[in-house]
Amino acid sequence: GQQVMQIPQYQHVQEGEDFTTYCNSSTTLSNIQWYKQRPGGHPVFLIQLVKSGEVKKQKRLTFQFGEAKKNSSLHITATQTTDVGTYFCAGRPSGTYKYIFGTGTRLKVLA
Amino acid sequence: NAGVTQTPKFRVLKTGQSMTLLCAQDMNHEYMYWYRQDPGMGLRLIHYSVGEGTTAKGEVPDGYNVSRLKKQNFLLGLESAAPSQTSVYFCATLPGTEFYEQYFGPGTRLTVT
Repeated sequence: GQQVMQIPQYQHVQEGEDFTTYCNSSTTLSNIQWYKQRPGGHPVFLIQLVKSGEVKKQKRLTFQFGEAKKNSSLHITATQTTDVGTYFCAGRPSGTYKYIFGTGTRLKVLA
Repeated sequence: NAGVTQTPKFRVLKTGQSMTLLCAQDMNHEYMYWYRQDPGMGLRLIHYSVGEGTTAKGEVPDGYNVSRLKKQNFLLGLESAAPSQTSVYFCATLPGTEFYEQYFGPGTRLTVT
């Protein structure tokens, strides 16, 4: 079946260090979305990537969509304690209406 | 404007009991989704709907049924609950055209003993 793998599963960083999480899909995607979830909360939308090779930035966050539209990454520069949470990618396989979520990367930031 | 609401917020069931979870939205969105999230895991798609009167299976549909009789409501039913269905259930909606964010409800925490 269609799968979206996400690594790493956990990441502990010192405040001020950088952080990257990667997603890889078994099938070509129409688009990919990124979400952040805090403990006890629901996923909150961060951004959507649609075009092959697309790069988008939101302040310290940089999102990339691979040329083949099968992989994506989220990079956070100079992490802060407010970045703590679990980051999920969600890809929509081409020709479908459904989203497949990655397993998530749980980020802890040590002050 | 409440967005996406889910009822109930919490529920404890005994094995074999049945229940229905309600997702309601006031944004006139076409697409609605039911996900489950197990501890330390990502969200897995149970069923989804692309419009009133339509439903389709997701990744993990077994043991669940759904209905979308009204555009604003998407119901998820458990006919005979099992401990493996202990999870947090999230509903999400989309406007119905491509490339929009999913709007999530607050979740329903279900425990089956």
